[in-house]
Amino acid sequence: DQQVKQNSPSLSVQEGRISILNCDYTNSMFDYFLWYKKYPAEGPTFLISISSIKDKNEDGRFTVFLNKSAKHLSLHIVPSQPGDSAVYFCAASALGSSNTGKLIFGQGTTLQVKP
Amino acid sequence: GAVVSQHPSWVICKSGTSVKIECRSLDFQATTMFWYRQFPKQSLMLMATSNEGSKATYEQGVEKDKFLINHASLTLSTLTVTSAHPEDSSFYICSARGLAGRYSDTQYFGPGTRLTVL
Repeated sequence: DQQVKQNSPSLSVQEGRISILNCDYTNSMFDYFLWYKKYPAEGPTFLISISSIKDKNEDGRFTVFLNKSAKHLSLHIVPSQPGDSAVYFCAASALGSSNTGKLIFGQGTTLQVKP
Repeated sequence: GAVVSQHPSWVICKSGTSVKIECRSLDFQATTMFWYRQFPKQSLMLMATSNEGSKATYEQGVEKDKFLINHASLTLSTLTVTSAHPEDSSFYICSARGLAGRYSDTQYFGPGTRLTVL
């Protein structure tokens, strides 16, 4: 049972345009969501997170939107740069219940930003 | 801040041998460390959660006797793959979560260890 889903395995955008990466989840106990960026043969790098008490969090070029009723979150990158090309993982955690800090990851979306 | 290192970064071993992978939080104390495994073009799958000074909690389907985890201090956890077989070849990644405050609500990942079992 895939509790966190990234249905688009890949996304290609032009440099300077907006990249929108989507993520859906099924477990209503999730209350904390994160986005990680990963290059091949490296560990994931934390990008941005959002708590379920918010619907938007912004950090520079990165903005995460959370729609709790739809159990959907998205990561917006604007403007996109070639250096943003990587695999992006969405992750979710249920911090408020038996908090082990366990993260459940989506399958990842490979973003390619073309110059 | 929030630097996590892993050693070795890659290892090749013969079938039947044991391999130890170290995970260290370099600039913060990690009460909890996590071990993941990633197959090519797949997501990160959590193998186990370890808390300093206590036994690790393994995910369903992960063999405790095969993947030995020790979290002896607030900055070091080790994963030992015992009697490794070719199917254990994978990319192993650890992460650490801090004691409190700044590093307590996010997992910070190490660079990963590529294990190849011949």
